[in-house]
Amino acid sequence: AQTVTQSQPEMSVQEAETVTLSCTYDTSESNYYLFWYKQPPSRQMILVIRQEAYKQQNATENRFSVNFQKAAKSFSLKISDSQLGDTAMYFCAFMKPESEKLVFGKGTKLTVNP
Amino acid sequence: AAGVIQSPRHLIKEKRETATLKCYPIPRHDTVYWYQQGPGQDPQFLISFYEKMQSDKGSIPDRFSAQQFSDYHSELNMSSLELGDSALYFCASSLDRSNTEAFFGQGTRLTVV
Repeated sequence: AQTVTQSQPEMSVQEAETVTLSCTYDTSESNYYLFWYKQPPSRQMILVIRQEAYKQQNATENRFSVNFQKAAKSFSLKISDSQLGDTAMYFCAFMKPESEKLVFGKGTKLTVNP
Repeated sequence: AAGVIQSPRHLIKEKRETATLKCYPIPRHDTVYWYQQGPGQDPQFLISFYEKMQSDKGSIPDRFSAQQFSDYHSELNMSSLELGDSALYFCASSLDRSNTEAFFGQGTRLTVV
C-alpha cells in the first residue's frame, strides 16, 4: 500500500519570504500522480499543484513550485513571496493512475506572519 | 464557474440516527468521489462512482451506502450513526474518471451527539 509522509506538522514563515514543505512517499509503482492540496480555515480542499511521475520537469503554478525527486521519492512544495492568504493546512497526496482514490499525508499547518 | 455543491453544509444527528448527505457535481462531470476527514485528520477515501456505477471502494463502513443518480448527483447514506462518524465529508467530481482533474466541494460537517 502507498503511504505519504509529511514530517513537518507545523511551519511558519514571514510574509514575502519563501518556505518549503516536505513530503515523501512510498510506492513500488513507476507511474503515478502527486498533488499538493491547500485547506484554508474555510475547510475547502483546493488543488495547488499536480505532478505526473513520468515527467521529469518540476511543475510550477505561479508562486508555487515543486521539487520532485523520483529516486528519493520526495515531493516538496516551495511557496515564494508568501502571502497572508497562504495560511492553511497543506496536504500532499498520491494517486495511482488506475485507481480513483487519493492517499493523503497527515498535513502541514502553515502560518504566514505579517 | 459552477462548483461542486454539497448539502447540507452542517448536520447534527443523535447516535443511532440516519443521515443523508448530497453532492451535486460540476455540470457534465460524470464521476463522484466521497472522502471522510475526521477532526485533525487527513481525508480518507470512502467510495467513488462513474456513470452511476460504483467504481472504487475504500474504507467505507457497512453502515454507509451511496449511489449516483441519473442526473449524476450522489447521496451518501449513513445509518446507526456513531460518535466516531463525526467528521467533515467531502465530495469531489471529475470528468471521465480523471481524478487528476477532480474538484472538491466545501464539505458537509456532520456532528453526532
